Amino acid sequence: GAVVSQHPSRVICKSGTSVKIECRSLDFQATTMFWYRQFPKQSLMLMATSNEGSKATYEQGVEKDKFLINHASLTLSTLTVTSAHPEDSSFYICSAREGTDNEKLFFGSGTQLSVL
Amino acid sequence: GNSVTQMEGPVTLSEEAFLTINCTYTATGYPSLFWYVQYPGEGLQLLLKATKADDKGSNKGFEATYRKETTSFHLEKGSVQVSDSAVYFCALRGNQGGKLIFGQGTELSVKP
Repeated sequence: GAVVSQHPSRVICKSGTSVKIECRSLDFQATTMFWYRQFPKQSLMLMATSNEGSKATYEQGVEKDKFLINHASLTLSTLTVTSAHPEDSSFYICSAREGTDNEKLFFGSGTQLSVL
Repeated sequence: GNSVTQMEGPVTLSEEAFLTINCTYTATGYPSLFWYVQYPGEGLQLLLKATKADDKGSNKGFEATYRKETTSFHLEKGSVQVSDSAVYFCALRGNQGGKLIFGQGTELSVKP
C-alpha cells in the first residue's frame, strides 16, 4: 500500500529552539496533507491542512506563526515548530491524501517532540 | 461540535480472548465512522468503516456495527492474537465531508 514517511520519529530540543518535521509521500502524489497533534490521553487533533503550492489552513486555536507549514511539492510537507516551549511537547502525526478521495488517506508513523 | 470518545487503555488480554473496545460519538446528521489501527513504529491504517446506520464494517476478524440509537461503534474481535497488539483509534467524518475527528486511541496488548 501507499507509504508516508515521517521524520524524525523522536526529537528532544531545548526551549526556544525550532524543530522541523518532514512528511513525505513515497509512492504517490499528495495534493493535500494534514498535520495532527496528540497530547497524552487526549484525542488526535487536526492542526492544519496544507495544499501543495498554497498557504495552509489552520484549525481554530492553532497559532500559524508558531507552527509553520510548507507544502512546496506534491510529495513533501514540513511542519516547523518555532521557538518551542515545554507545552509544545506532544506527538505530531502527518497524513497525506492521494487525490481528492478521503478514503485514500495515509498516515506517517508520528514524531514525539520533547522540549526541555 | 462533533466528537468521539473511546474507552481508556491500556487493555491487556490473553491470546484468544474476546475483545471489545467501546466507542461513542456525538455528531449532527449522519457521519461516517471508522476504526484505524496503529502498529508499533507504523502509521495509522484504516481497519474498517461504516457509512450508515446498522452497517457493519469488518476486516481481519474485527467487526463494528454503526448503532445510531446508541451513537456507538464498538470494535469487537472474537479471538485476539499477539499480532493484534496496537493502538486503535475510533474516528468519524461528518456527512458533509470535512475533517476526521478522532478519539484518544486505546492501546491493546495481547499476551501469549
